[in-house]
Amino acid sequence: EVQLVESGGGLVQPGGSLRLSCAASGFSLSGYEMNWVRQAPGKGLEWVSYISAGGSTIYYTDSVKGRFTISRDNANNLLYLQMDSLRAEDTAVYFCARIYPTRKGPFDYWGQGTLVSVSS
Amino acid sequence: DIQMTQSPSSLSASVGDRVTITCRASQSISSSLNWYLQESGKAPKLLIYAASSLQSGVPSRFSGSGSGTDFTLTISSLQPEDFATYYCQQSYSSPRTFGQGTRVEIK
Repeated sequence: EVQLVESGGGLVQPGGSLRLSCAASGFSLSGYEMNWVRQAPGKGLEWVSYISAGGSTIYYTDSVKGRFTISRDNANNLLYLQMDSLRAEDTAVYFCARIYPTRKGPFDYWGQGTLVSVSS
Repeated sequence: DIQMTQSPSSLSASVGDRVTITCRASQSISSSLNWYLQESGKAPKLLIYAASSLQSGVPSRFSGSGSGTDFTLTISSLQPEDFATYYCQQSYSSPRTFGQGTRVEIK
């Protein structure tokens, strides 16, 4: 069974850092492009970052460029999001999501999410 | 970036109703359009991909259509478990933007 399990969320002060992890099971992470998507309280879905299967291609939404870093450890089936210089507007539930391996594939599996709260 | 606009933002319907949600892209995305359902407090779930292909395990009362810039999600007979928020998403180009969501509520 395919599973994605996020961890690492919590309460952090503005300017602080957090590292989110996404543990994949039931499939080999090395074969899949991955994403982070977030959802602020009461708001819609916002794509945050993308990483190719091998890690060579990475994209970020403009609001997190220079502050967030996506990475992956295919040997251990782990996806990461390092979040630095956190702001109140980064408060959200963060989901990791897998891309179905076809051209222009959808996000076919999602984790349950981990809550990041940025507040003093 | 490609902007995705859903309508309506919310709707009220009864069990058994036929429901239609539309999604418009700011430029042509061919058939690279996906639909997701999100229940409150849960992760999104893929319903439809490539505009009209039903994801495995999704009931056949859900269907999708459209190409280019205009797309539709139809629920042929609304069931109690369908009261949720629906999102469209384009997978034509990065960033893979989402619509703002359509909340389907019980009338």
